[in-house]
Amino acid sequence: DAGVTQSPTHLIKTRGQQVTLRCSPKSGHDTVSWYQQALGQGPQFIFQYYEEEERQRGNFPDRFSGHQFPNYSSELNVNALLLGDSALYLCASSLRTPGNTEAFFGQGTRLTVV
Amino acid sequence: GDSVTQMEGPVTLSEEAFLTINCTYTATGYPSLFWYVQYPGEGLQLLLKATKADDKGSNKGFEATYRKETTSFHLEKGSVQVSDSAVYFCALSKATGGGNKLTFGTGTQLKVEL
Repeated sequence: DAGVTQSPTHLIKTRGQQVTLRCSPKSGHDTVSWYQQALGQGPQFIFQYYEEEERQRGNFPDRFSGHQFPNYSSELNVNALLLGDSALYLCASSLRTPGNTEAFFGQGTRLTVV
Repeated sequence: GDSVTQMEGPVTLSEEAFLTINCTYTATGYPSLFWYVQYPGEGLQLLLKATKADDKGSNKGFEATYRKETTSFHLEKGSVQVSDSAVYFCALSKATGGGNKLTFGTGTQLKVEL
């Protein structure tokens, strides 16, 4: 079992550019969530995808958008990058069953905006 | 809204010392509680969890008990090792509508010295 995999591991972008991050969930999982972890902080929930639709969203602007594919993999897109978007972006996968609250995380993508 | 408060770090201990990292939460309903660990340059690993009041989660010598009366989930270990040096995050989740968004504390860095 490969677990949750994310790509790329590191990325450097310039202010104003757009970026796409990718996530493959753990085998058997159908739900993908994205988190932003700024340096020295705890992860902050961005949004969650299930059945190819955004189901929950945290307090992030519309510049942050996502997609889930039929194979459950997911992308996170960020437009018009700001210096403040520099962070570790974590993907978490889970199985959407009643009462299940457990999620498994990938290694993350380190995004640096210059 | 839901929130998690952790004791601030860094916490520096000698090897074989007793560890306590305090965590309290604010949430409506009946959240599940988690401790995640993050080693340098890596993503989050689930350390232990508890899904209802008075449950004790345990793993690798770490323990935490879900105390609803004090809204706490303190992490303890009887004898820490240098390899336990990492950042520890307390988190809560509620399986509302099938989703399982995690709310994290700010993290507590633990340094264990010989």
